[in-house]
Amino acid sequence: DMKVTQMPRYLIKRMGENVLLECGQDMSHETMYWYRQDPGLGLQLIYISYDVDSNSEGDIPKGYRVSRKKREHFSLILDSAKTNQTSVYFCASSLWYRSSYEQYFGPGTRLTVL
Amino acid sequence: GEQVEQRPPHLSVREGDSAIIICTYTDSATAYFSWYKQEAGAGLQLLMSVLSNVDRKEEQGLTVLLNKKDKRLSLNLTAAHPGDSAVYFCAVTNGNNRIFFGDGTQLVVKP
Repeated sequence: DMKVTQMPRYLIKRMGENVLLECGQDMSHETMYWYRQDPGLGLQLIYISYDVDSNSEGDIPKGYRVSRKKREHFSLILDSAKTNQTSVYFCASSLWYRSSYEQYFGPGTRLTVL
Repeated sequence: GEQVEQRPPHLSVREGDSAIIICTYTDSATAYFSWYKQEAGAGLQLLMSVLSNVDRKEEQGLTVLLNKKDKRLSLNLTAAHPGDSAVYFCAVTNGNNRIFFGDGTQLVVKP
């Protein structure tokens, strides 16, 4: 059972078009993340959200913005997509609860910008 | 900020052998440690995770060791089989919920 969902799973856009990637979780996790992964490389943090309307830049925020209006949804927006934003995008969520911790990743969205 | 180094970047073993991957980190306040497996074209599969108060955890042929003194985290796959071939990532999480990843280890298990 998939705890973090991402839509769409695959997306092809033309350079200059707007892109909306959606992420959802039903675990009431406070913290959510957007990462990108390029071939042969690790994951780079784009944005982190600590709760509704509490978003912080990660390591590579340029060219991206995010929206979190509900705790269970976290969106990644590319205004005027560029070809170098072709990548696989992963969403994640996490929660510290007393002395335990949960962390889950979504299945990824493969974005191609032509 | 936290820096995570993972080694080796590539590892090739024979079926039945052990495979050991090591990560070192810099922030002594790191609270949560995890290992992920990523098969070609797929997402991240959580293998094992430990909190900072755990030194050793074993599950289904996998052993995670945490040495807080040396800031070293290791993953040992005992008796590896070809289905274990994938890229493995360590991830460490600090008290502010920032997750830092190693650069990955490409593991190949040959029959």
